[in-house]
Amino acid sequence: GIQVEQSPPDLILQEGANSTLRCNFSDSVNNLQWFHQNPWGQLINLFYIPSGTKQNGRLSATTVATERYSLLYISSSQTTDSGVYFCAVGETSGSRLTFGEGTQLTVNP
Amino acid sequence: EAGVAQSPRYKIIEKRQSVAFWCNPISGHATLYWYQQILGQGPKLLIQFQNNGVVDDSQLPKDRFSAERLKGVDSTLKIQPAKLEDSAVYLCASSLDGVSGNTIYFGEGSWLTVV
Repeated sequence: GIQVEQSPPDLILQEGANSTLRCNFSDSVNNLQWFHQNPWGQLINLFYIPSGTKQNGRLSATTVATERYSLLYISSSQTTDSGVYFCAVGETSGSRLTFGEGTQLTVNP
Repeated sequence: EAGVAQSPRYKIIEKRQSVAFWCNPISGHATLYWYQQILGQGPKLLIQFQNNGVVDDSQLPKDRFSAERLKGVDSTLKIQPAKLEDSAVYLCASSLDGVSGNTIYFGEGSWLTVV
């Protein structure tokens, strides 16, 4: 099946810093979503982005499907951004999503 | 708009006992998913329903796990008999139409500890 690798596995930032999280995948995808899991375990969908670029406030994401990677940008980070960020991909638009192992982000005040 | 509802939130059982989890998806969502998340790992799909039909259950351990979505709305996931390695968070999620790859919304999860 499709492989998903996320980097870095852990990231510690000071409040106000910017960061870039990466997701590499091993095969063509037609479905890619970014999620944030807060410290209480709730998974929140950030972006549905199988290709192109999207922005939502301080967050933005870019997927280059031909080169099999996606990037999540967090600007002016806040302590509430802490948690685990997951990338999930599907080979077709309706097939199961395969999740990466996540990036654990800690933002210190 | 109400989110995905799950119960119970927490459950502790002994190995070889049984447990059932319930999920009510967002109103109008045709696709319902059950994921298993082991501590420190990403979620893994157990079963995906489209209305009341199964789309994908290839990763469901069918000797002990079962799931149903009889009326195409809420769903139940059952584990019988439970093993120690079943300790995990069981996440229910829904989407408007999984076939076309819509955004997936997750519930808060049901935390299972098997002792």
